[in-house]
Amino acid sequence: EVQLVESGGGLVRPGESLRLSCAASGFPFNDAWMSWVRQAPGKGLEWVGRIKSKSDGETTDYAAPVKGRFTISRDDSRKTLYLQVNSLKSEDTAVYYCTTEWGSAMEHWGQGTLLTVSS
Amino acid sequence: QAVLTQPSSLSASPGASASLTCTLRSDINIGPYRMYWFQQKPGSPPQFLLRYNSDSDKHLGSGVPSRFSGSKDASANAGILLISGLQSEDEADYYCMVWHTSDWVFGGGTKLTVL
Repeated sequence: EVQLVESGGGLVRPGESLRLSCAASGFPFNDAWMSWVRQAPGKGLEWVGRIKSKSDGETTDYAAPVKGRFTISRDDSRKTLYLQVNSLKSEDTAVYYCTTEWGSAMEHWGQGTLLTVSS
Repeated sequence: QAVLTQPSSLSASPGASASLTCTLRSDINIGPYRMYWFQQKPGSPPQFLLRYNSDSDKHLGSGVPSRFSGSKDASANAGILLISGLQSEDEADYYCMVWHTSDWVFGGGTKLTVL
């Protein structure tokens, strides 16, 4: 069974940084392209970015609102996906979901972790 | 103008069928696009429903009832999620998604009410 478990969210002040994690199991993590998707309170889904597998170059793509501030990385030995979020703004407040492109795109989702940016 | 446009809300009766549309911006031809559909209930993460490009290129998510199906309306430049035999448990938000110029793009979502 595919499982994705996000962690690391919390309350931070504008301008601060945080690292979110996503622990994966139940599928060949090292072969999977992985994405982060966020959802602001009461709003729709917004793709944040993705990372390809190491065999596909481990390249990353980011949505325009986060490019240059957010960094996605992965540790295949730990089967863990990361999202480093820097220079946080109030508009980054959202539930952050980890999802996989293994199989069909975004066929599996974690429960999400809430990041609140407020002074 | 947004890449994907969904009506904000839709109501339908139990047992009826509901057709949820997702329209691509007029300068983007839906022809080659795979469209993905997700269901989200309050307090829960999104759930993958299906992917549809054509009748020969489609995929229903694991455990998703066959009451859910996808199609395209080329004349409307839109993807369609059809839910037949509506049940109260189908009341949820529904999102469409496509891969467009190096980005995954979501529609704004449709709130489906079953009453």
